[in-house]
Amino acid sequence: NAGVTQTPKFQVLKTGQSMTLQCAQDMNHNSMYWYRQDPGMGLRLIYYSASEGTTDKGEVPNGYNVSRLNKREFSLRLESAAPSQTSVYFCASSDSLDEQYFGPGTRLTVT
Amino acid sequence: GENVEQHPSTLSVQEGDSAVIKCTYSDSASNYFPWYKQELGKGPQLIIDIRSNVGEKKDQRIAVTLNKTAKHFSLHITETQPEDSAVYFCAATLNDYKLSFGAGTTVTVRA
Repeated sequence: NAGVTQTPKFQVLKTGQSMTLQCAQDMNHNSMYWYRQDPGMGLRLIYYSASEGTTDKGEVPNGYNVSRLNKREFSLRLESAAPSQTSVYFCASSDSLDEQYFGPGTRLTVT
Repeated sequence: GENVEQHPSTLSVQEGDSAVIKCTYSDSASNYFPWYKQELGKGPQLIIDIRSNVGEKKDQRIAVTLNKTAKHFSLHITETQPEDSAVYFCAATLNDYKLSFGAGTTVTVRA
């Protein structure tokens, strides 16, 4: 039981490049989330998927797109990366509105 | 949306002493208040949570208190140990999928 897994662990992009961050959970959770973590700002919700087939914007959705591929997988796409998107990205999942289980994170640098 | 403020941003305590972290929230309708612990290089992990119909909750050396009137809640760690050194985040939500996090408190336990 791996919990929440994220790939890649580290990534360096040049401004304007695109990439997709992958997330998968094996806990049969209905809900999945993408957060970004910046120094001094805690975690901010980018997008979430309450259930398979639905996605909704969080606090900071601009510059990102998401896909809930199936119940297990939720991907985050940066179409044209900007230096302001340098951050640590966390995926999380939950079975209800309670405890969220977080993955180990992806550290992204955009130069 | 919900706004959560967390204090202090850093906290250094002697091993065996107590640590207290305080958070305030803006929306009186918020009804779920989790606390997460994040160790270096890892994702946040839930350590304790409280709902708005409860004033206090304990789990071994950690406790959380909630004052709905004043819109603040606190984390108390007693008999601190070196393994308590980490970053702690409070959060609040209106019973939906959008958790709002505080900026975090870096706790250092001195041996």
